[in-house]
Order: sequence, then C-alpha cells, then structure tokens
Amino acid sequence: EVQLVESGGGLVQPGRSLRLSCTASGFTFDDYAMHWVRQAPGKGLEWVSGISWNGVTIAYADSVRGRFTISRDNAKNSLYLQMNSLRAEDMALYYCAKDIMRYPYYMDVWGKGTTVTVSS
Amino acid sequence: EIVMTQSPATLSVSPGERATLSCGASQSISSNLAWYQQKPGQAPRVLIYGASTRATGVPARFSGSGSGTEYTLTISSLQSEDFAVYYCQQYNKWITFGQGTRLEMK
Repeated sequence: EVQLVESGGGLVQPGRSLRLSCTASGFTFDDYAMHWVRQAPGKGLEWVSGISWNGVTIAYADSVRGRFTISRDNAKNSLYLQMNSLRAEDMALYYCAKDIMRYPYYMDVWGKGTTVTVSS
Repeated sequence: EIVMTQSPATLSVSPGERATLSCGASQSISSNLAWYQQKPGQAPRVLIYGASTRATGVPARFSGSGSGTEYTLTISSLQSEDFAVYYCQQYNKWITFGQGTRLEMK
C-alpha cells in the first residue's frame, strides 16, 4: 500500500524552529518529486515547497522562502521540512504529498498531515 | 508566481443538477492544471489532470475543460458524495493552488 506518514508537528513559540518529517512506503521514493502543502484552520490549500526526485531542484512559496528548508533522504525514504523563525501565520496542518513525476506536476498521494501550532 | 483564482467561492446546487466551477490563471498555464476534491477531515484527492483527463477511479460525471488561462470543472449530475471543496492547481511553473470553491447542497 502506498503511504505517507508525517510527524514532527506540535506546539512551538513564535520565532522558534521545528522540523517535520515524512516517511514514505509502498513505492519507489526516489522516482518522484515530493511536496509540502499546508492548510490553516478553515482555510484553503497552500503549496509550501517542493523538491525533485534527486534533491537538486527545489522551490518555495514566497511566504516561507528564506525561513523553511526542504530536503530528502532517498536512502531512508524520507522527506523533511526545517521550519525556522516560525510565525503565527505558519500555524496549519502540514501535508506531505507525492508527485506523479520526477519534477513538479500534480500530487496523487497525500499523507494525513501533522499539525503545527505557533503560539506563546 | 502564477496566481490562480477560483469562482464562485461557494456554489449551491441541488442533487441531480449540474455544477460548473471556474478557475483562472494570471498567465497561460498550457493546460497544466489539476483539480482536487477535499472532504472535511480528509486529504485532497486528485480528480482531473492535464485540464481534462480524469484520474484513475474518478466517475465519468466529472469533466474538465479549458485552455490558456481559463478552466472549468463540470459535475454533470451531482451525487450526495460530491458536496465538498474543490481546488484547482497549476503545475506549469512549480505549484500554486486556487483558493477553493465550496460546493454545497441547495
């Protein structure tokens, strides 16, 4: 079964850091680009960041560029999101999502998400 | 960044009727467009890619059309399970989502 499981969410104070992880199973992880997509409570989907199959091509939404870093470890079938200088507006459910290709197209598999709460 | 704009924000339609959802891009996206359905408490599910190709397992009542900057998702005869939020997403230049259309039962 193709599966993505996110972890690492929690309560963090503004200005602090958090690292999210996503563990993949059921497919050849290094054949696909991967993404982080977030959804604030009661709001729509916002693409956060994406990474190509080999980790060479990376992009970020304007709202997180310079604060968040995406990475992957293909040997561990894992995707990561290092989030620094967190703000209240970063509070959301963070989904890990698998692309259908090696470079960004659209997403065919999603995890259940991990919740990030930013509050003092 | 390519901005995606969906309309309307909320659409009220009766079961059995047709629903038409719109999505516009700030520049041409060459049919590099996907549509997703999201139900409460669930992750999104892809319905359409390439503007008009149904994903595996998606019922034939869902269809997509459009080109350039204007795209449409049509649900021909609404079933109870179709009431949800729908998002368009462009992948012509990285990724951006529209703000969503909530399809509610009239």
